Amino acid sequence: EPEVTQTPSHQVTQMGQEVILRCVPISNHLYFYWYRQILGQKVEFLVSFYNNEISEKSEIFDDQFSVERPDGSNFTLKIRSTKLEDSAMYFCASRGTVYNQPQHFGDGTRLSIL
Amino acid sequence: DAKTTQPNSMESNEEEPVHLPCNHSTISGTDYIHWYRQLPSQGPEYVIHGLTSNVNNRMASLAIAEDRKSSTLILHRATLRDAAVYYCILRMNRDDKIIFGKGTRLHILP
Repeated sequence: EPEVTQTPSHQVTQMGQEVILRCVPISNHLYFYWYRQILGQKVEFLVSFYNNEISEKSEIFDDQFSVERPDGSNFTLKIRSTKLEDSAMYFCASRGTVYNQPQHFGDGTRLSIL
Repeated sequence: DAKTTQPNSMESNEEEPVHLPCNHSTISGTDYIHWYRQLPSQGPEYVIHGLTSNVNNRMASLAIAEDRKSSTLILHRATLRDAAVYYCILRMNRDDKIIFGKGTRLHILP
């Protein structure tokens, strides 16, 4: 069964450094998402992306965050200048073209900011 | 936002059926009811969804009350692998993002 893959599984970065989290969505999916989950808390929506544009973003997704689909297969989340509070699990998701189809999630990248 | 209410945790014995309840009294006519689960150290995983009629798939069944103000996710024969946090979510029309609540943490006893 096709799946969403994320790399790396764990990223350790110094505060203030830039980090890029990578995702390979399911190949025929066109809608892409990033969510995050701080340890012990709820999964939170960050951003949705379609047709090379951000469709919606949450308040968390400030100017330090950006997303990109640099080629036909990857979908990335960049954090420009990381803060301690950015430490979390980051999940990528994708879905097919029919509205209300389920989103398929990757297993996440654990981001640890030191 | 339409909200759901779920018990914080539940326990069940292995190989027995599990009924996970969800209340959504403010549901609107076009809201779909989705269930996801999150196994330890994994991302959320889609389980099932429905609008008005009961639904079955290989993972579970979804029973929706006639007034749609509540629903129940049914795992027919729980295994240890079903221990997870189960989220009941309303997907509002034209709202693509998923809003996760705290869910129900399901413990399976061997």
